[in-house]
Amino acid sequence: QKEVEQNSGPLSVPEGAIASLNCTYSDRVSQSFFWYRQYSGKSPELIMSIYSNGDKEDGRFTAQLNKASQYVSLLIRDSQPSDSATYLCAVNLSGGYQKVTFGTGTKLQVIP
Amino acid sequence: NAGVMQNPRHLVRRRGQEARLRCSPMKGHSHVYWYRQLPEEGLKFMVYLQKENIIDESGMPKERFSAEFPKEGPSILRIQQVVRGDSAAYFCASSPGDRVNEQFFGPGTRLTVL
Repeated sequence: QKEVEQNSGPLSVPEGAIASLNCTYSDRVSQSFFWYRQYSGKSPELIMSIYSNGDKEDGRFTAQLNKASQYVSLLIRDSQPSDSATYLCAVNLSGGYQKVTFGTGTKLQVIP
Repeated sequence: NAGVMQNPRHLVRRRGQEARLRCSPMKGHSHVYWYRQLPEEGLKFMVYLQKENIIDESGMPKERFSAEFPKEGPSILRIQQVVRGDSAAYFCASSPGDRVNEQFFGPGTRLTVL
């Protein structure tokens, strides 16, 4: 089992719809969870971080964390073509340690 | 506040040469991470450093690769005797080093080995 697992996609959604991206992780002691967006040929950009169970909203983005089920998700409301990118989930698997482990990413395509 | 800086942005080397990649973390950040990414693949952790210390190098190949983060100056990722399989994008990230381990990435160095 991979430590941080994501569906590679591509996930295609029409413009204006809600895109839902999911990530599962293997280590119950994980404390920190991050979502990065990476456009083709560019570097990853941090868009959300979440540390507590529940939802965290920032503009059109909502991160959802469920530690009991060991998954974290990212919802993008009112999806735009400019949201088309690969979304990387990252998890601090070892609790207090600084290293994070990245999933392989989900490619999102927003169709105009 | 300048972000993470990496240079060069593109580097071309012939097989057997050395590649030196540089990374200057964000101001106030004392933790540096190096990752490698092959086309259409995920980010692979290589090494985690603090000033003058290698904390975790579990992702570094045992041979030809080394990294340092001196007291003064940028972090350096060094690849000796490069081979074609080393061609990839190498990203550096930095974090402030507190409990909140958010990492901020530089633009990357694209290494091409001919």
